[in-house]
Amino acid sequence: AQSVTQPDIHITVSEGASLELRCNYSYGATPYLFWYVQSPGQGLQLLLKYFSGDTLVQGIKGFEAEFKRSQSSFNLRKPSVHWSDAAEYFCAVESSGTYKYIFGTGTRLKVLA
Amino acid sequence: DAMVIQNPRYQVTQFGKPVTLSCSQTLNHNVMYWYQQKSSQAPKLLFHYYDKDFNNEADTPDNFQSRRPNTSFCFLDIRSPGLGDAAMYLCATSRAGTGYGYTFGSGTRLTVV
Repeated sequence: AQSVTQPDIHITVSEGASLELRCNYSYGATPYLFWYVQSPGQGLQLLLKYFSGDTLVQGIKGFEAEFKRSQSSFNLRKPSVHWSDAAEYFCAVESSGTYKYIFGTGTRLKVLA
Repeated sequence: DAMVIQNPRYQVTQFGKPVTLSCSQTLNHNVMYWYQQKSSQAPKLLFHYYDKDFNNEADTPDNFQSRRPNTSFCFLDIRSPGLGDAAMYLCATSRAGTGYGYTFGSGTRLTVV
């Protein structure tokens, strides 16, 4: 069965430090992968997506993610975190042909001033 | 700007009193979704419409219904809300086809008293 795992429930980093949020997926074919961010009390906003081509994907707000097929991973990175990045981050995979996404359980990011 | 709008942002309803949440979109997307999100959890898909075709998730309680009178609007009806139905309800839209990603509304926070 298709699944998405985000191993880290909470992550705390200092402002200006680098960030990596982990995402592992289980999927039989080439996956369509997404990262979303959710600020408190808000809906989800698409940060970036991967479905083919260059395995390093650039997104909004200075985020990037790298697709590694050998590791079944799609980790999200940012070189220098800003206090406004504090939010919950969800990784998702599209279930082929169903128009439905499978979400990970999310990683809550806290940024220390 | 093209967007997904959910009304109201906050809804308080009484135990057992029917309630309707609304979602409208100006993106002309043909797929619309309703998700339920409880605190610190991943969004859980309740159902989605592909054009006028309704697709219910197998584990969505009968208490939850949906209507889509036209492309732009979609409603979530909870016939007899229980305390366990208190959650954030998220509407999302997508173009048909894979890899486009969802556009989410800001959500409606439902409180049941």
